[in-house]
Amino acid sequence: NAGVMQNPRHLVRRRGQEARLRCSPMKGHSHVYWYRQLPEEGLKFMVYLQKENIIDESGMPKERFSAEFPKEGPSILRIQQVVRGDSAAYFCASSEGGVAVNEQFFGPGTRLTVL
Amino acid sequence: AQSVTQLDSQVPVFEEAPVELRCNYSSSVSVYLFWYVQYPNQGLQLLLKYLSGSTLVKGINGFEAEFNKSQTSFHLRKPSVHISDTAEYFCAVSDRNDMRFGAGTRLTVKP
Repeated sequence: NAGVMQNPRHLVRRRGQEARLRCSPMKGHSHVYWYRQLPEEGLKFMVYLQKENIIDESGMPKERFSAEFPKEGPSILRIQQVVRGDSAAYFCASSEGGVAVNEQFFGPGTRLTVL
Repeated sequence: AQSVTQLDSQVPVFEEAPVELRCNYSSSVSVYLFWYVQYPNQGLQLLLKYLSGSTLVKGINGFEAEFNKSQTSFHLRKPSVHISDTAEYFCAVSDRNDMRFGAGTRLTVKP
């Protein structure tokens, strides 16, 4: 049973380009969470999705960031017109049920570098 | 909304010494509490969690944590650390719908 998969592991973009980060949850998991980790800081919640639905996006910046979790395929975190401040590690987690009592399993992260 | 405070950003300790990583939380509702560990260049792994029942929770790798409702704390402890315990440790709190993480404590175990 493969764990949470994220790709790419490392992504380099120039300012103004788009970044697409993919997350495949564990088999049987229908809940996906995205977090951002800035250097020397903790994890910051961004968005919580179930299949085809955004449940909580209170941590998402209002502009340039979007997320989806389609019926088929991985969850995508999309960052348009990237800026240097977007450089961070982005982690995806999945769980079998809701967050309260279900363990979140984390992927290895995507490290985004904006030049 | 809940929040988590990890009081120490860095904790250096010698091998085989005991360690306590502190975590305090605030919430207006009943919460569930978690400790995760992050090794370099990896994602987070669950160490232990408190959902209900006994306030002393035992996790993997010899770690344990005690839920103290009156002090709103969930400190992580290990009686004797190893070099391999060097990592970043995150405390997290969740209610029904979302989880919030502390800023992390970097544990460095020295020989």
